[in-house]
Amino acid sequence: ETGVTQTPRHLVMGMTNKKSLKCEQHLGHNAMYWYKQSAKKPLELMFVYSLEERVENNSVPSRFSPECPNSSHLFLHLHTLQPEDSALYLCASSQDQGIYNEQFFGPGTRLTVL
Amino acid sequence: AQTVTQSQPEMSVQEAETVTLSCTYDTSESDYYLFWYKQPPSRQMILVIRQEAYKQQNATENRFSVNFQKAAKSFSLKISDSQLGDAAMYFCAYRDSGAGSYQLTFGKGTKLSVIP
Repeated sequence: ETGVTQTPRHLVMGMTNKKSLKCEQHLGHNAMYWYKQSAKKPLELMFVYSLEERVENNSVPSRFSPECPNSSHLFLHLHTLQPEDSALYLCASSQDQGIYNEQFFGPGTRLTVL
Repeated sequence: AQTVTQSQPEMSVQEAETVTLSCTYDTSESDYYLFWYKQPPSRQMILVIRQEAYKQQNATENRFSVNFQKAAKSFSLKISDSQLGDAAMYFCAYRDSGAGSYQLTFGKGTKLSVIP
């Protein structure tokens, strides 16, 4: 595997379900991100982890819970979601302290909440 | 707060022709980074080109180049010799240059179609 991978690629869940999204980066980076991409809206940054510590949390509802067990893996735990949470969830990674801090993105998980 | 505006929701270009996608941003910072990302229908977002605000010279990557006008806070992307594989959503993004600045602020995107 190369780059940033995400599983599953598609997920359908009911509002009472609990599920998790997984992201893995194979680039040796030390920062990881979760973004939400909704139709006709700019990408929204949800969480940032640097060196496995959360450094930003952009007022995301508590029904989204991130976890970063090490610098290569990032999870987004989902519970009691709402239909408006249906979106494409993108994971990204970067090398913190790099000149550009260029972010590399995964292919995303298309989430549908029924 | 910084904002990024892409005023063209959709654009089209004839194959082999040139197209320019516009982007404006608002910031009070003097040093920052600007990016253009491409998201093809397969959804993987990839970086196309990047620019540091303190560099006067416009960035170029093969067929892709930017016109960076700092005073006007404008950062347009020019695609020369357009190819079918250039069809995608294009996002303009901004980031502060300060240490610990992680936030990328994106525009809403421009959908580019390439006509054979």
